[in-house]
Amino acid sequence: DAGITQSPRYKITETGRQVTLMCHQTWSHSYMFWYRQDLGHGLRLIYYSAAADITDKGEVPDGYVVSRSKTENFPLTLESATRSQTSVYFCASSESGHRNQPQHFGDGTRLSIL
Amino acid sequence: DQQVKQNSPSLSVQEGRISILNCDYTNSMFDYFLWYKKYPAEGPTFLISISSIKDKNEDGRFTVFLNKSAKHLSLHIVPSQPGDSAVYFCAASAGTNAGKSTFGDGTTLTVKP
Repeated sequence: DAGITQSPRYKITETGRQVTLMCHQTWSHSYMFWYRQDLGHGLRLIYYSAAADITDKGEVPDGYVVSRSKTENFPLTLESATRSQTSVYFCASSESGHRNQPQHFGDGTRLSIL
Repeated sequence: DQQVKQNSPSLSVQEGRISILNCDYTNSMFDYFLWYKKYPAEGPTFLISISSIKDKNEDGRFTVFLNKSAKHLSLHIVPSQPGDSAVYFCAASAGTNAGKSTFGDGTTLTVKP
């Protein structure tokens, strides 16, 4: 089973450009999440979604936009990329919003903004 | 203010010995705790969890202990194996937070053969 996949795995872009990171899961999980991990730090939640067409802000949402028109897809867009958004981005999903449901992560997208 | 802290960035142990990874939290609303393991160039994977109504949970070589009064939990790996070398993240959730978890910065474990 494919599970959860992120694309691209690596991306280099310039400041001011728009860039979209893709996330696709095959489990039909209700919840999906976007995190960023900066060097030497843990995961910080950017946005999450409880179901199709339902999204909410996490800890660090500024500069990011998300959408969820289909249950299986949860793209993350940087509308005008800045160097401070250079990071590794992880998408995750969980079956329900219950706190005892572990999250399943993709392998990440390493984004560099020059 | 960081609500979940892993104060040891790294830990090195000999194969066969015990590894103890520590995690402290400040938010008394946290009532569920999870440990994730992460290899380089991969996403984190769930390892073990514990509810605040318990003080211990065991799964094979992995045991998590929770001390609510001290707001402290630890992950014990016995015996440690070279394949356990990875970054370990502690995460905490509160009942009101709709599945969102707050992560620590991680501890890099190196198990030497």
